[in-house]
Amino acid sequence: GQNIDQPTEMTATEGAIVQVNCTYQTSGFNGLFWYQQHAGEAPTFLSYNVLDGLEEKGRFSSFLSRSKGYSYLLLKELQMKDSASYLCAVMDSNYQLIWGAGTKLIIKP
Amino acid sequence: NAGVTQTPKFQVLKTGQSMTLQCAQDMNHEYMSWYRQDPGMGLRLIHYSVGAGITDQGEVPNGYNVSRSTTEDFPLRLLSAAPSQTSVYFCASGDGRSGANVLTFGAGSRLTVL
Repeated sequence: GQNIDQPTEMTATEGAIVQVNCTYQTSGFNGLFWYQQHAGEAPTFLSYNVLDGLEEKGRFSSFLSRSKGYSYLLLKELQMKDSASYLCAVMDSNYQLIWGAGTKLIIKP
Repeated sequence: NAGVTQTPKFQVLKTGQSMTLQCAQDMNHEYMSWYRQDPGMGLRLIHYSVGAGITDQGEVPNGYNVSRSTTEDFPLRLLSAAPSQTSVYFCASGDGRSGANVLTFGAGSRLTVL
């Protein structure tokens, strides 16, 4: 079956760096997405990786290793507003998105 | 630019009642979809559409109907509500012309079935 694994919850300190991991097993691969979802709100797009390597976008970076079925989202200079859930999703061979359950990130002062 | 608009935001139904969740987008996106989000689970695709007049089933289609008569609108109908359909529902649209097909989500509709 198809599976996306993410840690359920993580805690980090304001100003620090945190890495949110995602491992996947899917039938085919056509890209991996990261979305941010604040409590009670809609998911919003953060990043897209289809080739191996690191994509940097401001304080957020996303890494992909297709051979290992692994990705991570790196958040630098954490701010209180980064407290949210981070959703990993993989597009399979049928171009359908398979979603992880999300990682709830708690930022402490 | 409103993006994706969903109504209602909250709804309480009794078992057996029917209702329609409305979704409209003003970005001229061909792709539209409905998801449900339950605690501890990933978003699950209910139905999706790749253009007006075309709909298809997702992972959890039972108990739901959709139609796509225009590019802008994609309503989700619950035929006979059941407590198992208590969930948060999200409508999302995407520009399917790009390989990434980044989704824009509506604000969500929280449905409780008693």
